[in-house]
Amino acid sequence: GESVGLHLPTLSVQEGDNSIINCAYSNSASDYFIWYKQESGKGPQFIIDIRSNMDKRQGQRVTVLLNKTVKHLSLQIAATQPGDSAVYFCAENPLPPGGYNKLIFGAGTRLAVHP
Amino acid sequence: DAGVTQSPTHLIKTRGQQVTLRCSPKSGHDTVSWYQQALGQGPQFIFQYYEEEERQRGNFPDRFSGHQFPNYSSELNVNALLLGDSALYLCASRRDSEQYFGPGTRLTVT
Repeated sequence: GESVGLHLPTLSVQEGDNSIINCAYSNSASDYFIWYKQESGKGPQFIIDIRSNMDKRQGQRVTVLLNKTVKHLSLQIAATQPGDSAVYFCAENPLPPGGYNKLIFGAGTRLAVHP
Repeated sequence: DAGVTQSPTHLIKTRGQQVTLRCSPKSGHDTVSWYQQALGQGPQFIFQYYEEEERQRGNFPDRFSGHQFPNYSSELNVNALLLGDSALYLCASRRDSEQYFGPGTRLTVT
């Protein structure tokens, strides 16, 4: 299948280590943030989300941290596994009046997990 | 429960031609958005459909148009294709906040 993110920054980790993927977002009016995982040949897959009234949210093996002061988002993956290898995108949702939402995606980071 | 489905999977067109891509949303979802993902980049928002109307649009020319049907499925049409339109076209559906993406249609313009 086609490759996603041929020239993206790459984070290489050993299996079992923790991974931290960072993202800077652009719009201070954004109130909803999502992390997506995209494997080659597939569409983005929802991982975890967080609203702007929170600074931390935990899921299964994943934690998202939000720092609104510096407009920074991070995704922490605990005990990284080979199946976690993919391109990871953060997305922000700047709500216009009316509440319609569109997602603005970051550039993406490739996570490479080595056994 | 089928997720978001898109057709075709791959498509090759020539410059100047027109193309139609199709999307069926996840069951129970009434809002469909289309995104363009160039190789090595994040998806870019094209437009969103709700109740058969375009209600938000990204920075794409009028060559890009769409439609939503009463069953919530949607089509993306691109006229006068350019080489730069080569990309993965993603459809996403939602009912509340979370958007679910389809596998995409890979369009190659030669």
